[in-house]
Amino acid sequence: EAGVAQSPRYKIIEKRQSVAFWCNPISGHATLYWYQQILGQGPKLLIQFQNNGVVDDSQLPKDRFSAERLKGVDSTLKIQPAKLEDSAVYLCASSLRADNSNQPQHFGDGTRLSIL
Amino acid sequence: AQSVTQPDIHITVSEGASLELRCNYSYGATPYLFWYVQSPGQGLQLLLKYFSGDTLVQGIKGFEAEFKRSQSSFNLRKPSVHWSDAAEYFCAVGASDGATNKLIFGTGTLLAVQP
Repeated sequence: EAGVAQSPRYKIIEKRQSVAFWCNPISGHATLYWYQQILGQGPKLLIQFQNNGVVDDSQLPKDRFSAERLKGVDSTLKIQPAKLEDSAVYLCASSLRADNSNQPQHFGDGTRLSIL
Repeated sequence: AQSVTQPDIHITVSEGASLELRCNYSYGATPYLFWYVQSPGQGLQLLLKYFSGDTLVQGIKGFEAEFKRSQSSFNLRKPSVHWSDAAEYFCAVGASDGATNKLIFGTGTLLAVQP
């Protein structure tokens, strides 16, 4: 079974520029998550999709972050404009369903973003 | 509010020694608990999970964890550590309201293994 795929693996941009990350979840997984992991901290949920609908974006800084999952499969996360504090690893995860906490989440290798 | 505390930021053990990583959680209902491992430059890999039943759960790579409700703890253990176990370990609690499901992570424990 192929895992969660993310690209790019690394990205370096200057502040105020824009950047986008891509995620392809495990086939058949209805739920997709984006997490932000700042150095020295655990991952923090940014947004959760169930199929192509958003079910939780309470922690997403909506003035600069946006995400979409148009066909219920792939997803993109965008930051515009980027700030220095956005330097982090952005992890994508997927699970079969979201209506039960016992569904394990499977993580991709992440995109490491550095803001200069 | 739900939270997870991992009191040890960094632990060093000798290869072959036993290991215990501590995790305490705060959650109103019966928790679903997870341990993940993260090697440098990689994503998180699930080691084991607790949902219900037997409070001692076995995971991959020889790890086990014990759920203790009275202590709100879910400590990870391994009887004999290998050099390849050096990584960062995250404890997490699953928080669900029936429609959404998210993991709340601790800050992690970085494990170093010395020869």
